[in-house]
Amino acid sequence: AQSVTQLDSQVPVFEEAPVELRCNYSSSVSVYLFWYVQYPNQGLQLLLKYLSGSTLVKGINGFEAEFNKSQTSFHLRKPSVHISDTAEYFCAVRSSGGSYIPTFGRGTSLIVHP
Amino acid sequence: NAGVTQTPKFQVLKTGQSMTLQCAQDMNHEYMSWYRQDPGMGLRLIHYSVGAGITDQGEVPNGYNVSRSTTEDFPLRLLSAAPSQTSVYFCASSFVAPSDTQYFGPGTRLTVL
Repeated sequence: AQSVTQLDSQVPVFEEAPVELRCNYSSSVSVYLFWYVQYPNQGLQLLLKYLSGSTLVKGINGFEAEFNKSQTSFHLRKPSVHISDTAEYFCAVRSSGGSYIPTFGRGTSLIVHP
Repeated sequence: NAGVTQTPKFQVLKTGQSMTLQCAQDMNHEYMSWYRQDPGMGLRLIHYSVGAGITDQGEVPNGYNVSRSTTEDFPLRLLSAAPSQTSVYFCASSFVAPSDTQYFGPGTRLTVL
């Protein structure tokens, strides 16, 4: 079985400040890790994903995430946020063997204030 | 390439009515799924399919039916709508390879009165 925990349900931040959205997972097998973004009144779209190789993954809109196997974490970061980054962010995991069904975290609402 | 499409975008039903939410994808994906999204609950899996003729239940299947007669289409049927089914519904698709990205439709906002 696998699970995903997003530690913060809501993260308020001022424009141009850095932000980190936290994600921890558990799985008995190797996993692939994803971050999705959901802008207001839209579906989810891929921000970035970790499959293998370098633990630092760069995605769209200046976001990056670091895979830490020992801490079973995949935190999302951006050095300077914009108002347009206001959205819901979901961390997801898919097992490398066995079930292909992805497991999603409950989401973190990023609110960027001017 | 339209990706994942969902219709309708909005729907209001009365308790007891039935309806079908449509979902289609043009990427030849084997895996398709339906989620509902409620405030504070994240995404909850309703039903999923790994190919035509193959469907299975997810976390919250009660009150919903699905079928998969073609690779492209995966409709979700509400048999007898209840107020507890008021939610936003998302369809998603991908290849079954676990490294593959999920592609989501724009959602259907359903209100049951």
